[in-house]
Amino acid sequence: DTEVTQTPKHLVMGMTNKKSLKCEQHMGHRAMYWYKQKAKKPPELMFVYSYEKLSINESVPSRFSPECPNSSLLNLHLHALQPEDSALYLCASSQADYGYTFGSGTRLTVV
Amino acid sequence: KNEVEQSPQNLTAQEGEFITINCSYSVGISALHWLQQHPGGGIVSLFMLSSGKKKHGRLIATINIQEKHSSLHITASHPRDSAVYICAGITGNQFYFGTGTSLTVIP
Repeated sequence: DTEVTQTPKHLVMGMTNKKSLKCEQHMGHRAMYWYKQKAKKPPELMFVYSYEKLSINESVPSRFSPECPNSSLLNLHLHALQPEDSALYLCASSQADYGYTFGSGTRLTVV
Repeated sequence: KNEVEQSPQNLTAQEGEFITINCSYSVGISALHWLQQHPGGGIVSLFMLSSGKKKHGRLIATINIQEKHSSLHITASHPRDSAVYICAGITGNQFYFGTGTSLTVIP
């Protein structure tokens, strides 16, 4: 298995909703990442988990809450989002410099 | 100034043309990725380079560490190559993304 699987692919949520994005990989990668990408912009790093511990939090608002239950799973819990949080959320994983693998993303729309 | 600069920002080519996208970086990196993203889609890693040259099908990527410069070449371009191509430098867990080159190949 050489993929990073993200679910759901599309999500529409209201500003009072609570939802979660899920990311899964079975390549044994020990670093996992959440990125946010707005249209026509490069991805922006949000969080990095290394060996299941949060190692980088790029000053992301607390309405985004990451969780790494085990070495294969990465979640992003969403609560009280704003319309400007609508974006493509990408998950990636890596192992040292052996390469990065990105998921296909979750297209989030906040209404 | 961005740590990773790409050129051109937009590129339109006729099917069959040879295409070159350039990337220059100003930070120390351990490797450089070329990434492809189709409209509305996820990112696919095309190459990871730390030196020299790599080839995969019609795609060729080169890197010159001394000059901090990399190029992505597409031979015999095809409409399905239309996408955004992003170069990204890597050091540790930190990615430095270029702003991307939007490529359109016209039949």
